[in-house]
Amino acid sequence: GAGVSQSPSNKVTEKGKDVELRCDPISGHTALYWYRQRLGQGLEFLIYFQGNSAPDKSGLPSDRFSAERTGESVSTLTIQRTQQEDSAVYLCASSLMASSETQYFGPGTRLLVL
Amino acid sequence: DQQVKQNSPSLSVQEGRISILNCDYTNSMFDYFLWYKKYPAEGPTFLISISSIKDKNEDGRFTVFLNKSAKHLSLHIVPSQPGDSAVYFCAASSDSGTYKYIFGTGTRLKVLA
Repeated sequence: GAGVSQSPSNKVTEKGKDVELRCDPISGHTALYWYRQRLGQGLEFLIYFQGNSAPDKSGLPSDRFSAERTGESVSTLTIQRTQQEDSAVYLCASSLMASSETQYFGPGTRLLVL
Repeated sequence: DQQVKQNSPSLSVQEGRISILNCDYTNSMFDYFLWYKKYPAEGPTFLISISSIKDKNEDGRFTVFLNKSAKHLSLHIVPSQPGDSAVYFCAASSDSGTYKYIFGTGTRLKVLA
């Protein structure tokens, strides 16, 4: 079956521009997660969705970051007024339920802010 | 403050030998640990996990050992194969937030043919 997909796979943008990153989770997975991996660092939790609600936004680094999920399916992570320190690989994962042991990851979106 | 640490950024092992990847954590509330494997340009894939009620979990060539008193876990791969060459991430979670995995920085394993 289809896994988690993300688009675009790569994005180069200029400082100050807004970007939208998309995640399509595995069908039927109610939980969806966004992570960020900056160069030389581990995966950093950003936000988690249960259905269309985000009970935990504690990982979002600033108010320039927002995310939404619709139809208990697709999620969009938006970064406004991008900064160079936003350059990273943004990974999306989904799991059957929030308490599920295994999160299935997408391939990531590599964002470069010039 | 890095709660999950993988102090070896890279490791090279000869094919057929044992690979040992190490992970240390600082939060004593962590009670569930996982290992993920990541190939270039792909997302991490789940490999093996262990609950804090156990000290060993085995799945084929992969075994994870947990030493709670030392706050240390390790992944053993034996025998190592060239296809095992990847970046391995250790992750941990606590009961209060099972969804919020804290990941280490990864160890790049290279298995030499």
